[in-house]
Amino acid sequence: EAQVTQNPRYLITVTGKKLTVTCSQNMNHEYMSWYRQDPGLGLRQIYYSMNVEVTDKGDVPEGYKVSRKEKRNFPLILESPSPNQTSLYFCASSSTGIEQYFGPGTRLTVT
Amino acid sequence: GESVGLHLPTLSVQEGDNSIINCAYSNSASDYFIWYKQESGKGPQFIIDIRSNMDKRQGQRVTVLLNKTVKHLSLQIAATQPGDSAVYFCAENPTNNYGQNFVFGPGTRLSVLP
Repeated sequence: EAQVTQNPRYLITVTGKKLTVTCSQNMNHEYMSWYRQDPGLGLRQIYYSMNVEVTDKGDVPEGYKVSRKEKRNFPLILESPSPNQTSLYFCASSSTGIEQYFGPGTRLTVT
Repeated sequence: GESVGLHLPTLSVQEGDNSIINCAYSNSASDYFIWYKQESGKGPQFIIDIRSNMDKRQGQRVTVLLNKTVKHLSLQIAATQPGDSAVYFCAENPTNNYGQNFVFGPGTRLSVLP
């Protein structure tokens, strides 16, 4: 089944404790992106990748890192999480850069 | 700055009626516009897209209209069903660089009444 998977789905952590949210797609897509979704603000892009070893900042990259060492995986790294990073995070992939397939989301709470 | 907005944050329609969800965008240079549907607890799901050189595109029970003169986008859902209840987002690609910088609106919640 073609899909985008994210892990974990739910995470509660404390300020400053490094964490990684994994994202994997099995559709051989070149494009991958990370978004955060906050009430009233819609989806905002954090980082995107157009292929292996090619990543760039989206609209809200501060406090986040990503890597794209292999095509299928695009982990999101929070080196020192802060409460303002409490949000719902979505990973997405695309073959065309237009139609995106989204994962199920990761709800992160930073206390 | 560039923005994509929605005229109505919530919309309630009777089952079987047609729904119209509106969206205003600000960047006249955007090349692609997309509608997504997000059901509760799930990630957004692609519905339909339209390129700036078109003014109408039809899918299964959905039609997207683009009016570049007033920078307005709408999604029409025919014969709305309970399964259409969701939040609908419009998105534009202001940089015309596919894969990046799609700007999403805050969403419209569609409720289908029995």
